[in-house]
This record gives sequence, structure tokens and C-alpha cells, in this order.
Amino acid sequence: AQKVTQAQTEISVVEKEDVTLDCVYETRDTTYYLFWYKQPPSGELVFLIRRNSFDEQNEISGRYSWNFQKSTSSFNFTITASQVVDSAVYFCALRGNNAGNMLTFGGGTRLMVKP
Amino acid sequence: DAGVIQSPRHEVTEMGQEVTLRCKPISGHNSLFWYRQTMMRGLELLIYFNNNVPIDDSGMPEDRFSAKMPNASFSTLKIQPSEPRDSAVYFCASSFGQNTGELFFGEGSRLTVL
Repeated sequence: AQKVTQAQTEISVVEKEDVTLDCVYETRDTTYYLFWYKQPPSGELVFLIRRNSFDEQNEISGRYSWNFQKSTSSFNFTITASQVVDSAVYFCALRGNNAGNMLTFGGGTRLMVKP
Repeated sequence: DAGVIQSPRHEVTEMGQEVTLRCKPISGHNSLFWYRQTMMRGLELLIYFNNNVPIDDSGMPEDRFSAKMPNASFSTLKIQPSEPRDSAVYFCASSFGQNTGELFFGEGSRLTVL
């Protein structure tokens, strides 16, 4: 069984603050893939990043960075110098190696960035 | 390029009515997924097609729900008869390849059953 837990249901920050969204996962697969998706107020889900279980290198893309820690089964997402446009619900997701393209999503974290 | 196209964007219907949601995946994608999003249960996978064939429908709530994919460019999700607890946003997503994991989502169909 696979499970993704996003313990923070809602986070509120002031613009320019850094914010970290937590994601903890459970899987019995030795090979797996982790994802983050963004759901802005308009409703569509936007792909942000994919990371496979073999690659524990952290990744940075502009103001976004991801910290993959296999030892703690975590894949946390940090937004540096947050902006109002970052306000959205963020979902962490997991796919096991034998799951085709089926993703198991966490419950999501609603991020509100205030001006 | 056109993304995943879903229709209708919003539907309000009365309990007992039949509801049909439609999805056009991205051209060339060979996997298609139907997800349901509610406040209580979050994002749930209902059914997954690969090359137009249903692979896993274990997430379909009950016999009132059915999904078809008659060709590579069209899928439907039907609820008959609809119930108030079916109210949710239904997302269709598509992807290319078996294992990329990058799903492209439509804008969703918001269903309200009165």
C-alpha cells in the first residue's frame, strides 16, 4: 500500500517570507517516483517536479527547491521569497514502480501568501 | 498546444438524473485517468485507461459509475443515477508512456447534485 501524508493542511505567510511544505510518504516499492503539483485558485493541477528514488540530489528551480530525504521518507518543498501568486493548494504525490502512471496524492497543503 | 479538455465545466443536476462528463486527452497521450476531488477525501483515482483499455477501476465508487474510452481521443464518465454525495470536482488527466508519471490535468468538471 502507498500513502502520502501532508501534515500541514493550511499555511499562511507574508510575502517575501520563505515557506516549506512537508511531505512524508510510505511505500514498499524499492523504486518509486515522487511529485509535486500546484492547484491555483483557477482549479487545474499543474505539474511542478518529479524525482525518482535513486536520485537524492536536491533540486532548485528559481524560487522553488525540493529536499528529498530517503532516510526519513520525506520530500519537502520550499518556496523562497514567497509571492502572492504562489497562493495555491500544493499536492505531493507518489507512484510506485509497478503502478503504471497511477499517482497516490497527499491531502494537499493550502498556502496563502499575504501582501 | 491544446491541453486536456473537459466538459462541462460546471453541471448542476437533480438527484436521480444521469450525468455524463467528457474528456479529450492531449493528442498522442496513451494513458487517461479520471480523478475525483472532494474536501473530505481529497484527490481519488477512479479509473485508469492505457491504450483505451481500462487497467484499474478499483476506485470507481459503485455500479452507478461507469467510464468508457471508445477511442484515443475521447473518454466519458457517467453517473446514473446521480446522488448528492457525488457532488465533487472530476478531473481528467492524460500522460504519454507507461512510466513517466507526469500527468497533465484538465480544468475539471464541477458537479453539484441537488
